[in-house]
Amino acid sequence: QVQLVESGGSVVQPGRSLRLSCAVSGFTFSSYGMHWVRQAPGKGLEWVALIWHDGSNKYYADSVKGRFAIFRDNSKNTLSLQMNSLRAEDTAIYYCARGLAGVDVWGQGTTVTVSS
Amino acid sequence: DVVMTQSPLSLSVTLGQPASISCRSSQSLVSSDGNTYLIWFQQRPGQSPRRLIYKVSNRDSEVPDRFSGSGSGTDFTLKISRVEAEDVGVYYCMQGTHWPRTFGQGTKLEIK
Repeated sequence: QVQLVESGGSVVQPGRSLRLSCAVSGFTFSSYGMHWVRQAPGKGLEWVALIWHDGSNKYYADSVKGRFAIFRDNSKNTLSLQMNSLRAEDTAIYYCARGLAGVDVWGQGTTVTVSS
Repeated sequence: DVVMTQSPLSLSVTLGQPASISCRSSQSLVSSDGNTYLIWFQQRPGQSPRRLIYKVSNRDSEVPDRFSGSGSGTDFTLKISRVEAEDVGVYYCMQGTHWPRTFGQGTKLEIK
């Protein structure tokens, strides 16, 4: 069945970097756009970034533009999010999700805590 | 950015009674391809979101038929015909037409 499994979340100090990964299985990864969506503690969903199926186009929320980078390796069925210059407000559960115009399948999320 | 405004933000419903959630967008969600990319998600406590409805009114497989979506342009509604205990959670609308993608604030459904 379709599975998205995020990893890489941890506690990190402000200003540091972190890379999240999302391993997918059960579908043809190279045929789908992929998103990162986050959810701060007790808050709603915030769209973060999207990459097209072939990596040719990438889009970012203004809140992360210039600090985060989304990329993918279709040969390894892996989606990644490189997060630099982390801030306290980046603290959240980060979900990878499949889709382009929308989202249909979500992972279980990985938790990032930015704190000194 | 397209602002998605949900109402109400919380809803307390008696089991077996209907519920309705509104989602309004600050711009039309009709895409250049003619589709309207308005999606509804359910997030149960402690779980990841789950898609219920896509392109306004298309229900996902395994989603009970008591859930329905309707609307057009900038005005959309999610309806639950008879609320059950398993429907407790937060419901979000999302637009997939414009960049950046945006979500509504969420509507918390509880049982009265």
